[in-house]
Parts: sequence; C-alpha cells; structure tokens
Amino acid sequence: DQQVKQNSPSLSVQEGRISILNCDYTNSMFDYFLWYKKYPAEGPTFLISISSIKDKNEDGRFTVFLNKSAKHLSLHIVPSQPGDSAVYFCAASVAGGFKTIFGAGTRLFVKA
Amino acid sequence: NAGVTQTPKFRVLKTGQSMTLLCAQDMNHEYMYWYRQDPGMGLRLIHYSVGEGTTAKGEVPDGYNVSRLKKQNFLLGLESAAPSQTSVYFCASTQGNTEAFFGQGTRLTVV
Repeated sequence: DQQVKQNSPSLSVQEGRISILNCDYTNSMFDYFLWYKKYPAEGPTFLISISSIKDKNEDGRFTVFLNKSAKHLSLHIVPSQPGDSAVYFCAASVAGGFKTIFGAGTRLFVKA
Repeated sequence: NAGVTQTPKFRVLKTGQSMTLLCAQDMNHEYMYWYRQDPGMGLRLIHYSVGEGTTAKGEVPDGYNVSRLKKQNFLLGLESAAPSQTSVYFCASTQGNTEAFFGQGTRLTVV
C-alpha cells in the first residue's frame, strides 16, 4: 500500500519552460512534505519542504504547492535548466514522528 | 565537512554470505535511518534509530539487523544474504522532523 505516490515515472521538458512534478498521498495524518533531488551515483539531497499549515512555499526557481483537501502536492521548477535533470522524490512525514515515507520518484529530463 | 559517509560503496556477495554496512555521521544528529532503493519502488525504510542504543523496524526489516552503539554510527547487517537483497542502500540522518542528509549509497549485488 503506497502512501505516497508519484504516478509519472518520467517527465521531459524543454529548457526554459516550467517543470511540474506531482505527488499524491493517502495518509491524512501526514503534515510535513519534502522534495528531494537525486543525481546518478549520489545520495538524495533536500530541495524544498512545506508544512501542512501552508499551501505554498517558494525558494528561488522552486515552488511547492500543497492541496490538503485533494491530498496532492506539486513541485514547480521555473525556468527549467539542464542541470535540473535528475530523479525527484516526494516524501511525507507526521510531526513528531520518525518515519518519512518516500514516493517512487520521477525522472526529469530537461532538454537544451 | 563529511556529513554522512557510507562504507563500502560497492559490494558483491554470494547467497548466504553475511556483511555489515557502516554509516557514520558527523553532524551530531539524533536520528539515523537505513533505506533501500529499488527500481519503481522509491526509498523504503528498513530500520531506524532515534538515539544511541535504540533501534526500530521500518517498512521492510526482514533479513536485516541494525545496531547503534555510538551516536555517530549506524550499522546495517545482513546475516544470510539473498538475491532479493540486491539493491542500493542509503543511510540518512536527521535532527528532528526535518530534512534528511543522505550518504552516497552502497550498491550491493547478491549472486
């Protein structure tokens, strides 16, 4: 039973355009959400997070949107750059908890 | 500033062999985790620790054991390796319910 789902295994975007990566979750107890970026042969690195008390968090070219009623979050990258090509993992956790549940990941290709 | 270091980076085991993966962090984090990454499955939590001397089971703990004798180290053991344990293993540490810092991974092949 996947509690965090990333239904798009891959996404291809032209350089300079917007990349939108989607994530759905089933556990209504989740209240903290994170996005990680992973390059080949490296460990994941933290990108951006959002608490359930917010519906948007922005950091430079990266914005995460949270729709609690739909149990859906998305990561927007504007403008997309070739260096953004990586696997992006959505993750969720419960405040005060110790487990973070990850989605299967979406591989983003940004074409020059 | 090393962050999280995993040893070894690569290993090939024969079925039935045992091995220990070592994770070390220099950030004084309380919480440490072991994940495995398989194609199409994302990162699945094997075991975790909320402090020195404590461990707990994650989503996929069978076939693995862990120990946290020192705050900075978290060991993952495979007593009798099976082909199903072929995977990439990641260690991570956090301080509270915040972003995790990951090691570079250990690619394990069981033949």
